[in-house]
Amino acid sequence: DGGITQSPKYLFRKEGQNVTLSCEQNLNHDAMYWYRQDPGQGLRLIYYSQIVNDFQKGDIAEGYSVSREKKESFPLTVTSAQKNPTAFYLCASSIALERGAKNIQYFGAGTRLSVL
Amino acid sequence: LAKTTQPISMDSYEGQEVNITCSHNNIATNDYITWYQQFPSQGPRFIIQGYKTKVTNEVASLFIPADRKSSTLSLPRVSLSDTAVYYCLVGTGRYGGSQGNLIFGKGTKLSVKP
Repeated sequence: DGGITQSPKYLFRKEGQNVTLSCEQNLNHDAMYWYRQDPGQGLRLIYYSQIVNDFQKGDIAEGYSVSREKKESFPLTVTSAQKNPTAFYLCASSIALERGAKNIQYFGAGTRLSVL
Repeated sequence: LAKTTQPISMDSYEGQEVNITCSHNNIATNDYITWYQQFPSQGPRFIIQGYKTKVTNEVASLFIPADRKSSTLSLPRVSLSDTAVYYCLVGTGRYGGSQGNLIFGKGTKLSVKP
């Protein structure tokens, strides 16, 4: 059953702690993305990756880090430098962003992060 | 970078047709128009995508006029389960940089009433 899986569904962070959100896809997609959504707001791009071992900052990358060691996986670390991490985090994937490609993104179910 | 403008909210009743219009005045030649649906506490789901004229699938229709400066998502005979936020995105699949099709605005919150 193809899809994109995020874990955990709920996550709690203590002050000063780094936490890592998992995102795995078996759609054979080259591109993967992380978004943050605050209540009543749209999605804001944190990081995206076009290929393995390469990633680009989005609009709100400060306080976050990512890695892309495998095509299937794109974990997001929320570092202690992110002072307001409480939000709904969404991971997505799509085929490679090539010229003329229709970039349709497929999303996971999300991880809700709260600060203790 | 094509910017989109949508109504913040819309109300409808079950069984009615709903049309949500998105303005994108500076759409580029290579840009596609894509609509997503999001239910509370879930990730957005792709609904429909088009380049020009009319596109129809089992869920919705997308109308795009000749100048492509706007588009209208049409949902036929809505039900309570269509209550959701609908996002309009415009952009290309070109490699590199922040692309319009990675920018989700606040979307349009559709409320369907019995």
